[in-house]
Amino acid sequence: NAGVTQTPKFRILKIGQSMTLQCTQDMNHNYMYWYRQDPGMGLKLIYYSVGAGITDKGEVPNGYNVSRSTTEDFPLRLELAAPSQTSVYFCASRGAGGNTGELFFGEGSRLTVL
Amino acid sequence: DQQVKQNSPSLSVQEGRISILNCDYTNSMFDYFLWYKKYPAEGPTFLISISSIKDKNEDGRFTVFLNKSAKHLSLHIVPSQPGDSAVYFCAASVSASKIIFGSGTRLSIRP
Repeated sequence: NAGVTQTPKFRILKIGQSMTLQCTQDMNHNYMYWYRQDPGMGLKLIYYSVGAGITDKGEVPNGYNVSRSTTEDFPLRLELAAPSQTSVYFCASRGAGGNTGELFFGEGSRLTVL
Repeated sequence: DQQVKQNSPSLSVQEGRISILNCDYTNSMFDYFLWYKKYPAEGPTFLISISSIKDKNEDGRFTVFLNKSAKHLSLHIVPSQPGDSAVYFCAASVSASKIIFGSGTRLSIRP
């Protein structure tokens, strides 16, 4: 049982490049989330999904896109990378029942845009 | 517009004493409140939660108190242990789906 798996763990991008951060979970969770954590700051919600085919914007969606074609996968796409997107990105998931709001997080993907 | 606020960036507590971490919120529609713990280079891990219809929830050394009239919640850790040194995040959920985090409080437990 791997939980939430994020790839890559580290990536350096040049300004204007695009990339996709991958996130997959094997817990059959309906809800999935993408957060970013800037140095010394809290977690900001980028996008979230309540099930396959459904996505919604969070607090800081600009410059990002997501899709949810399957229950397991929730990739985050960065278009035209900018230095302001340098951050650590966390993917998380949770089931529909149980402790509402109990998220299971991946280990994070550290992205640097130069 | 920060809906979940943790006004203390850091806190230092002696081992064995009580640690109290505070959190304020502005949105009356939050239905669940949660605390997460984070070590460096790891994802956050869930600690404890409380429904908006309750005022207290306990789990071992951890107790969360909710004061809805003041829009304030707190996490009490008793007794504090060295392994409790970490960053603690307060979070709140809206309609059991959207989950917003505060900026975190770094807790240091000194010997």
